[in-house]
Parts: sequence; C-alpha cells; structure tokens
Amino acid sequence: DAGVIQSPRHEVTEMGQEVTLRCKPISGHDYLFWYRQTMMRGLELLIYFNNNVPIDDSGMPEDRFSAKMPNASFSTLKIQPSEPRDSAVYFCASSLGLYNEQFFGPGTRLTVL
Amino acid sequence: AQSVAQPEDQVNVAEGNPLTVKCTYSVSGNPYLFWYVQYPNRGLQFLLKYITGDNLVKGSYGFEAEFNKSQTSFHLKKPSALVSDSALYFCAVRVTSGTYKYIFGTGTRLKVLA
Repeated sequence: DAGVIQSPRHEVTEMGQEVTLRCKPISGHDYLFWYRQTMMRGLELLIYFNNNVPIDDSGMPEDRFSAKMPNASFSTLKIQPSEPRDSAVYFCASSLGLYNEQFFGPGTRLTVL
Repeated sequence: AQSVAQPEDQVNVAEGNPLTVKCTYSVSGNPYLFWYVQYPNRGLQFLLKYITGDNLVKGSYGFEAEFNKSQTSFHLKKPSALVSDSALYFCAVRVTSGTYKYIFGTGTRLKVLA
C-alpha cells in the first residue's frame, strides 16, 4: 500500500484565494483525520470522519474552513478565503478502528501571502 | 480537563546512552496512550501504544514505554540511543468527550549527539 497520499505537497497562494487540499487514505481504513501543525500551536485536530461521515468538527477554526469526504478513498479540506494566519502544515491521517494507530500522510505545506 | 503534557521541549543525549522522553496525562476513564515520531518534512509515524495489559510496551526501532497508572505517566525509553533517533517525538492520548478524539502533546525534540 502506498500509505496516505496528500496533494499538493506545497501550496503558495495569496490572501483571499481559495485553497483545496486533498487526501487519499489507506484503503480499508474507516477513520480519516485532518490536522494542522504550526510552531505556535503545535498539532491540532481539525475534523475527523468515520465511514465518510463527519463526526467532530469542533477543531475547525472558522467558517472559512470546510471538509468533505465524498467517498471512502478521498477527502478535501477547503479554505475560502485564505488568510496569512492559515499558513501551516496540514496533515491527513487514517486509521482502522477507534483503538488503533493513525497513519499520517506527508503533509501539505501551505503559505498564504 | 483531559490533557497530555510533555514537560521537556528538548532532550539531549549522547549516542549509546539510554534516553527517556517524558509524558504525563490526565484523562477520565482508562487511557489509551500512543507515541509518534516525526522526522523533518515528514508526517508522524507510529511507534507504540498502550491500551491494556502489560505496563511495559515495546515498539518500533527498539523503543519502549512504561505505563505508570499511579504517576499518570507514559515515558518513552530506549536503552541505547542512535544519532538517527534524533527527531520530534509526540505523546498522544485518546479521550472521550462526547466524541472520540486524540490529544497530542506539544512534542519533544530529541537530539542524539555523536
């Protein structure tokens, strides 16, 4: 298995633009997580899905952030409009079941100018 | 409030010496505890976990961790450090507060000196 796949790996955009981050979880995993990592705030859970259904989005910082999982093999995290303070590394992770470890993708480094 | 703490921002250890990276937690109910490692420009990688059973858990790359319920700790250890162990280490706890959720510690940077 190729592991969790994220695209793009790097994204540079200007303030006000829409940004879409993509994730393909490991086949067969039923949980998908989106995290944000910054020096100031560390690793933050934004939202997670179970069987494609959003379970907890309490970590999503603002209405500018939205996430979808239209099927078991694809998820998106969208920021619209983007702001410089959204600059961070965004990770997607997946797991099989509630009790097992998460497998992280390589991350998307987002820079908003 | 449910939380996990890594009291040291950085740990330095000489190659060949034993290493310990500390983690304490505060959760209601039985804890589910994890250690992850992050190398530069990479995602986190799972090292080991404690769910139940033996308090000493063995994981990848020769790492182990000891669950101590009375001290609410889950310290990561390795008998002999390698330079290649230098990385950022995260402790995580699974909590239940309405919904299942992971809380990650702030991370400890381990530097192994040759």
